[in-house]
Amino acid sequence: AQSVAQPEDQVNVAEGNPLTVKCTYSVSGNPYLFWYVQYPNRGLQFLLKYITGDNLVKGSYGFEAEFNKSQTSFHLKKPSALVSDSALYFCAAYYGSSNTGKLIFGQGTTLQVKP
Amino acid sequence: GAVVSQHPSWVICKSGTSVKIECRSLDFQATTMFWYRQFPKQSLMLMATSNEGSKATYEQGVEKDKFLINHASLTLSTLTVTSAHPEDSSFYICSAIPLQGMNTEAFFGQGTRLTVV
Repeated sequence: AQSVAQPEDQVNVAEGNPLTVKCTYSVSGNPYLFWYVQYPNRGLQFLLKYITGDNLVKGSYGFEAEFNKSQTSFHLKKPSALVSDSALYFCAAYYGSSNTGKLIFGQGTTLQVKP
Repeated sequence: GAVVSQHPSWVICKSGTSVKIECRSLDFQATTMFWYRQFPKQSLMLMATSNEGSKATYEQGVEKDKFLINHASLTLSTLTVTSAHPEDSSFYICSAIPLQGMNTEAFFGQGTRLTVV
C-alpha cells in the first residue's frame, strides 16, 4: 500500500536553532511531494513541493526540504526556528494519473519551538 | 493564491439528520477534489476523490451511501453525511486541484467541524 510516514509525533527545538521534521514515503512511481502546515481548527497551508529537478527545494517562511530518492525521504528543514513556527506539519505525496491520482498524508508532526 | 471556500465552518446536528458540506473553488476550476476526515491531533484520512461529472471514488472502509459526494461543476463539490451519528463527529476538509494539475498544488478549504449530538 502507498504510504507516507512521519516517524516523530513531536519535535521540540529552541528558538534560533535549526529544525528538521522527517518524512519518508513508500509510493510507486515518481510521486510529487509536499509539505503543509496546519494551525488549530484550520485548513492546510502550503509550504513547498518537489516535482522534479534540484533536490533542495525552498519554500515559504524560510523552510526548505531535501528530496533523497535513494532513501525515499523528504525532510523539512529550517536554519533558524521561530516560536511562531510552532504548529502541526504534514508531509504529503501525490501519485497516479491526472484523473485517478491521490494525495495522501503522513501522520503529522507537532513542532514546538520554545523561546 | 487560489482560494477554496468550505461551508459551513462548523455545524451541530441531531443524530439521524443529514448534513451537507460545500467545497467551492472561488477563483479557479478544479477537475478533482479530495475529501478528508481528521480526528483530533491525527492525520488527514482520505475519504474519497471526486472528479467533475463522474461518480466519486471512495477509499476502502468509507461507506459511500453514508457519505454522499457530488461534484456537479468545476467549482463545486458537496459532501453529505446522511443519518449522522455521534461517531461521525469529526473535522472534514476538502481539497481542490486546479485544471493545471498537481504541477501547481492542492488547495484546501478551512475545514468543517461536525458535531453530532
